[in-house]
Amino acid sequence: DSGVTQTPKHLITATGQRVTLRCSPRSGDLSVYWYQQSLDQGLQFLIQYYNGEERAKGNILERFSAQQFPDLHSELNLSSLELGDSALYFCASSFSQGQRETQYFGPGTRLLVL
Amino acid sequence: AQSVAQPEDQVNVAEGNPLTVKCTYSVSGNPYLFWYVQYPNRGLQFLLKYITGDNLVKGSYGFEAEFNKSQTSFHLKKPSALVSDSALYFCAGGMNTGFQKLVFGTGTRLLVSP
Repeated sequence: DSGVTQTPKHLITATGQRVTLRCSPRSGDLSVYWYQQSLDQGLQFLIQYYNGEERAKGNILERFSAQQFPDLHSELNLSSLELGDSALYFCASSFSQGQRETQYFGPGTRLLVL
Repeated sequence: AQSVAQPEDQVNVAEGNPLTVKCTYSVSGNPYLFWYVQYPNRGLQFLLKYITGDNLVKGSYGFEAEFNKSQTSFHLKKPSALVSDSALYFCAGGMNTGFQKLVFGTGTRLLVSP
């Protein structure tokens, strides 16, 4: 158990809908990262937050947004969902934001868009 | 562009034999390299990382990795494979971007036969 929790574990929804994925980092960790794992794209970095502020953006679509709250949990919002958004979404956390930090991953949320 | 490559989709090894999972990187400057393992229906688990110093890095579950700057490689090794080592292994790099965005390889499936 990494100490990073994600809810829900599974999510089934329809095209055009909006969903929110939630992540609670390890106790004391200030950085939260979101990744998408799909069969065709592999593991891709989406976005990073550090202590409530956005720090880095990767291959995140404009239909997706995220935020980190004062209690350091984070939410990833996916809107106008398309079939291709079906994937496993991982959250990871680390104490700071440095390159030397180890990221600890949550179990993921499996999203299926029908 | 900075990248991490895993040239083998799958590696097969018999239990008790040594195993190697290959990873090469392409980055300007000094890379920070990580190995993660993913078991079915689980998140990624941290195995080990190279930051600086000794080229041979020891990690969890008896795994080790050798950083080779001249060959730009960071191969994962274990002297004696276990059936329970069967999983998906990811090499990742934290590049010199100022903020840590992991770039992942495509993953290598390790199958250890009894």
